[in-house]
Amino acid sequence: NAGVTQTPKFRILKIGQSMTLQCTQDMNHNYMYWYRQDPGMGLKLIYYSVGAGITDKGEVPNGYNVSRSTTEDFPLRLELAAPSQTSVYFCASSYAGGGHRSTDTQYFGPGTRLTVL
Amino acid sequence: GESVGLHLPTLSVQEGDNSIINCAYSNSASDYFIWYKQESGKGPQFIIDIRSNMDKRQGQRVTVLLNKTVKHLSLQIAATQPGDSAVYFCAEKRVDSSYKLIFGSGTRLLVRP
Repeated sequence: NAGVTQTPKFRILKIGQSMTLQCTQDMNHNYMYWYRQDPGMGLKLIYYSVGAGITDKGEVPNGYNVSRSTTEDFPLRLELAAPSQTSVYFCASSYAGGGHRSTDTQYFGPGTRLTVL
Repeated sequence: GESVGLHLPTLSVQEGDNSIINCAYSNSASDYFIWYKQESGKGPQFIIDIRSNMDKRQGQRVTVLLNKTVKHLSLQIAATQPGDSAVYFCAEKRVDSSYKLIFGSGTRLLVRP
């Protein structure tokens, strides 16, 4: 398994531009998450999804949108990039919510480093 | 507010020594804790976890200790190696949440040769 993959690895945007950060997992996990990590800080949850067609806000959702049309993919959309969105973005997945496969452990992708100038 | 935090932002140890990284949490209604390792330029990597009905769990060269009385979590790394140099995060899952992890701000471990 490749695990959680993210593209692109790096991106520079101008203020007001838009972009989509891609995330795919091949572990058949039901839960997926988007976090941002600012320098020297921990991870903050942006959005999460408990299954295809279901998404919900995390701690810091403003300025972002997500969709979950398939189990595998969970793209994160920035519509009007702002300098405050300069950060490293991590996608994660887990098999959670009960059942014999439920582990609560989240597995992370390698991250996308985004700079907004 | 409720949070998961770390006592030491940077820990420097001699190669071969044991390392202890500490984490304090403030919410007693948590049932699951995880330690992650994050190397420069990479995503967090799962190291070890522990549920609240346990006090200690051992892995390969790593041990997690949970003291619920004082709401303290620690990660012990035996015979620390240069490859252990990274930032270590603890994370907490609250019993009323099926998914949400609360992350601390991290401790940087530096291993001196």
